[in-house]
Amino acid sequence: QKEVEQNSGPLSVPEGAIASLNCTYSDRGSQSFFWYRQYSGKSPELIMSIYSNGDQEDGRFTAQLNKASQYVSLLIRDSQPSDSATYLCAVDGKLTFGTGTRLTIIP
Amino acid sequence: DVKVTQSSRYLVKRTGEKVFLECVQDMDHENMFWYRQDPGLGLRLIYFSYDVKMKEKGDIPEGYSVSREKKERFSLILESASTNQTSMYLCASSQGNVRQYFGPGTRLLVL
Repeated sequence: QKEVEQNSGPLSVPEGAIASLNCTYSDRGSQSFFWYRQYSGKSPELIMSIYSNGDQEDGRFTAQLNKASQYVSLLIRDSQPSDSATYLCAVDGKLTFGTGTRLTIIP
Repeated sequence: DVKVTQSSRYLVKRTGEKVFLECVQDMDHENMFWYRQDPGLGLRLIYFSYDVKMKEKGDIPEGYSVSREKKERFSLILESASTNQTSMYLCASSQGNVRQYFGPGTRLLVL
């Protein structure tokens, strides 16, 4: 049973548009949620964390959490070619990871 | 800044060899993790440790063992390497139930 599911992708978005990445999780008791970005050949790096319902914004990135629906999303505004990467959703405890969504920003 | 280092970036071993992958973190973190990452399968947890000499199995522990004799060092051991253990191995550390810091990864090829 997969505990964290992400939209499978790959996802292509024009430069300047909004990229939307989605993640659902199965453990209703989960408390901490993270989005990592992973460039090809590199290790994951944290870009957003969210712990309570609602939105968490950091620059062009917004994480949204809905615990009732067991849903967490990442929005990237004004997408740039440098945002092209695989995005991993992770849920607390041992940090269960989704399989990732590969995002490509098209110039 | 937190630094997590791994002993090798690339490693080539032969089937049946015993393989040691080492990970060191410099932030006195309690928790350390070993993952493998394969295309289409994402990050899968092999083992984790929440204290010195303590360990717990993750999702795919078969064929692996770990050692944590000092807080800053967490070793992954492949007792008898097999070709299906060819993968990218990532070490991470964390303090409590918060973000993880990842090492650069070790790409292991078993021939």
